[in-house]
Amino acid sequence: ETGVTQSPTHLIKTRGQQVTLRCSSQSGHNTVSWYQQALGQGPQFIFQYYREEENGRGNFPPRFSGLQFPNYSSELNVNALELDDSALYLCASSLGQSVTGELFFGEGSRLTVL
Amino acid sequence: DAKTTQPPSMDCAEGRAANLPCNHSTISGNEYVYWYRQIHSQGPQYIIHGLKNNETNEMASLIITEDRKSSTLILPHATLRDTAVYYCIANNFGNEKLTFGTGTRLTIIP
Repeated sequence: ETGVTQSPTHLIKTRGQQVTLRCSSQSGHNTVSWYQQALGQGPQFIFQYYREEENGRGNFPPRFSGLQFPNYSSELNVNALELDDSALYLCASSLGQSVTGELFFGEGSRLTVL
Repeated sequence: DAKTTQPPSMDCAEGRAANLPCNHSTISGNEYVYWYRQIHSQGPQYIIHGLKNNETNEMASLIITEDRKSSTLILPHATLRDTAVYYCIANNFGNEKLTFGTGTRLTIIP
């Protein structure tokens, strides 16, 4: 139990649609990161938000966008869904430059694009 | 971030020590070695990290070679719940943008 919750846990969309995934950070954490994990692969960094500002982005196109709210919860939005977007999307929260550098992950949202 | 190399899979008998190797021959002087694991259908879980000294916590021990080119994660008394994919990551301290490889799938055998 990490205190990081994600919703929805599973969802199915069709190609071309848009999706919003949500993440509630562990209490007191001001940094949230999003990762995409394709089947059989390790998680890949999408982007990070620190105090409501984007603070780094991985190799993902602009149709992947995010928001962080004043309570440090976060959303990941994906527009114009493609079949290859089918994956487990993981949210991780942290204190930002924490003493341990530890990330706390949620259990993910599994997206299937048909 | 330095690239890490891990065996794709390993088995270990329940109750025995599980020793998971990781090669990070290009690690730079300010990069730490982090270990995470991912149990099926869950998010990754932090295990331990270290710079150059051996480290131990309630979950595991981390042994880093003197030249820092490789390390070993040790689970001293493996249980069935330790069955998971284990990821070794070389990362600058405080850099929370982790680069995961494909990890080692550890299976604990009853």
